[in-house]
Amino acid sequence: QQQVKQSPQSLIVQKGGISIINCAYENTAFDYFPWYQQFPGKGPALLIAIRPDVSEKKEGRFTISFNKSAKQFSLHIMDSQPGDSATYFCAASPGRKDSNYQLIWGAGTKLIIKP
Amino acid sequence: NAGVTQTPKFRILKIGQSMTLQCTQDMNHNYMYWYRQDPGMGLKLIYYSVGAGITDKGEVPNGYNVSRSTTEDFPLRLELAAPSQTSVYFCASSQGQGASDTGELFFGEGSRLTVL
Repeated sequence: QQQVKQSPQSLIVQKGGISIINCAYENTAFDYFPWYQQFPGKGPALLIAIRPDVSEKKEGRFTISFNKSAKQFSLHIMDSQPGDSATYFCAASPGRKDSNYQLIWGAGTKLIIKP
Repeated sequence: NAGVTQTPKFRILKIGQSMTLQCTQDMNHNYMYWYRQDPGMGLKLIYYSVGAGITDKGEVPNGYNVSRSTTEDFPLRLELAAPSQTSVYFCASSQGQGASDTGELFFGEGSRLTVL
């Protein structure tokens, strides 16, 4: 119940295409769903996050889609660019109610954008 | 503003040796965390701290110890290093509870440890 399953493990997309990464969870107590981006040799950095009171959140070319009934959420990268090549992690946590933000992390997706 | 700083960036240890990974943050964050990252496994929480003098175990605490004597510093101690502790270690911090807390974690650049 504490797992977050992320797919695919790796993804190759042509420049200008749409990159889609999916995550699924089981714990209905989760109410905070961030995506982190990690470049080689660096620590992860928050990209975008969503709470289940909305079904979609968009920031520039990055969109989170959230399906509460299916317990799934996904990251869409529109007009993918070579600079988007990185490893992406989804995560989930009970949020403020649990007070500690103990995130449960997906295994990561290595995204390569081909020029 | 340096954010979260980890040292060393790289270290090779022999089996049975001990060492301390240093972590300091200058954002006056209440919460600090130690994660390990293994290929294809995501990030696993080792220990966390919600404030100076308060620490608690995460998902994979065995073989590690922490202390939090100040708000800024959160060192991770490895006792009797084993090959299974070969990993990349990340320290992170977050503001913690409060009206302005977004839940965002701020990570250091990592410490790559190899145990031979």
